[in-house]
Amino acid sequence: GAVVSQHPSRVICKSGTSVKIECRSLDFQATTMFWYRQFPKQSLMLMATSNEGSKATYEQGVEKDKFLINHASLTLSTLTVTSAHPEDSSFYICSAHQGDYGYTFGSGTRLTVV
Amino acid sequence: GESVGLHLPTLSVQEGDNSIINCAYSNSASDYFIWYKQESGKGPQFIIDIRSNMDKRQGQRVTVLLNKTVKHLSLQIAATQPGDSAVYFCAENLGSGNTPLVFGKGTRLSVIA
Repeated sequence: GAVVSQHPSRVICKSGTSVKIECRSLDFQATTMFWYRQFPKQSLMLMATSNEGSKATYEQGVEKDKFLINHASLTLSTLTVTSAHPEDSSFYICSAHQGDYGYTFGSGTRLTVV
Repeated sequence: GESVGLHLPTLSVQEGDNSIINCAYSNSASDYFIWYKQESGKGPQFIIDIRSNMDKRQGQRVTVLLNKTVKHLSLQIAATQPGDSAVYFCAENLGSGNTPLVFGKGTRLSVIA
């Protein structure tokens, strides 16, 4: 089946620094990937849709200059949280769609900003 | 019993009983629905899906029911086991792989051994 690999699984960073999260489709090509954020005891909230070779589409209320998305190849999308602050601490999850296998999710990244 | 907390509602069931988790979806144009199970610190895990041209679909120990009239989705788990304890989310989609899934609020299932 389709596998999406997400790294790192956990990261702790200092306030004001930037953190990059990678999402790779291992055995299929994904022209579109999706990034979600999940706060404790809440649901997954869509942040943006990442399109290979073009700009990401951000949901209302998500700052595109703060959450930089790059989808440079058909198997890799990255989310960079710039100038991170404690309120950015959350669980970030990527997802990709592959025709035969539907939607596949990464294992998530727990970001803690101190 | 079922209770609603500040965020996720919780459903507590005895081991061996059947569980029913409900979800109200938002978009009447949605035509693809999925139930996911999420364990702590992990990504969502696919359980079962259903398209809008169906009203029931069965898997192993799980059944999904779709009522388009009232925009309601339910997940039934037969003979609930301790390993079923997790948070369950319904998700909807407009049917294209290039469009994202929109997740419901989620329900925490707690199985009492």
